[in-house]
Amino acid sequence: DGGITQSPKYLFRKEGQNVTLSCEQNLNHDAMYWYRQDPGQGLRLIYYSQIVNDFQKGDIAEGYSVSREKKESFPLTVTSAQKNPTAFYLCASSITNSPLHFGNGTRLTVT
Amino acid sequence: RKEVEQDPGPFNVPEGATVAFNCTYSNSASQSFFWYRQDCRKEPKLLMSVYSSGNEDGRFTAQLNRASQYISLLIRDSKLSDSATYLCVVNRGYGGATNKLIFGTGTLLAVQP
Repeated sequence: DGGITQSPKYLFRKEGQNVTLSCEQNLNHDAMYWYRQDPGQGLRLIYYSQIVNDFQKGDIAEGYSVSREKKESFPLTVTSAQKNPTAFYLCASSITNSPLHFGNGTRLTVT
Repeated sequence: RKEVEQDPGPFNVPEGATVAFNCTYSNSASQSFFWYRQDCRKEPKLLMSVYSSGNEDGRFTAQLNRASQYISLLIRDSKLSDSATYLCVVNRGYGGATNKLIFGTGTLLAVQP
């Protein structure tokens, strides 16, 4: 089945550690996105990539980094510079002018 | 003021009821509109796009009012399985650019037996 796979589903880290969230898609979509969801807030865009080897900052990119070395993969690193990293992280992909397809998310807890 | 605003609810309705949600947006340049459904602790899933002329998909009807800058979602004959959070999504990008999507905080619907 085609889809977007995020792993792991739950992730626990100590403050000060970098952590990388995985996102893989086999939908052959050009564009991929990372969003963050916090209680009482709408999804907010962290980074997006419309083609391989290119990516752009979204609305809340500080403290995050990404790479897009392959069309299928768009990993997100949450660095120690991110002040409030505990959140639900959602990866999505799309083709031009089409709605987003989301992965099943990673819940990150930093203590 | 948020760019996309929704009543957070919860809307508690009995099975079989008709329920309507509204969503207002502030950017008049917004180009396209969607309703997503999100179950508890799951990812959002596209419910339907919203077209200028209004559109229907089974028990669900979406309407757009550009003059007043709001979209609505009507659910008829509510089912227990309709219980979820409904996200209003507005695209203020041109040419369908999906990096300009703005998500509302969602309206929680709880359908009671």
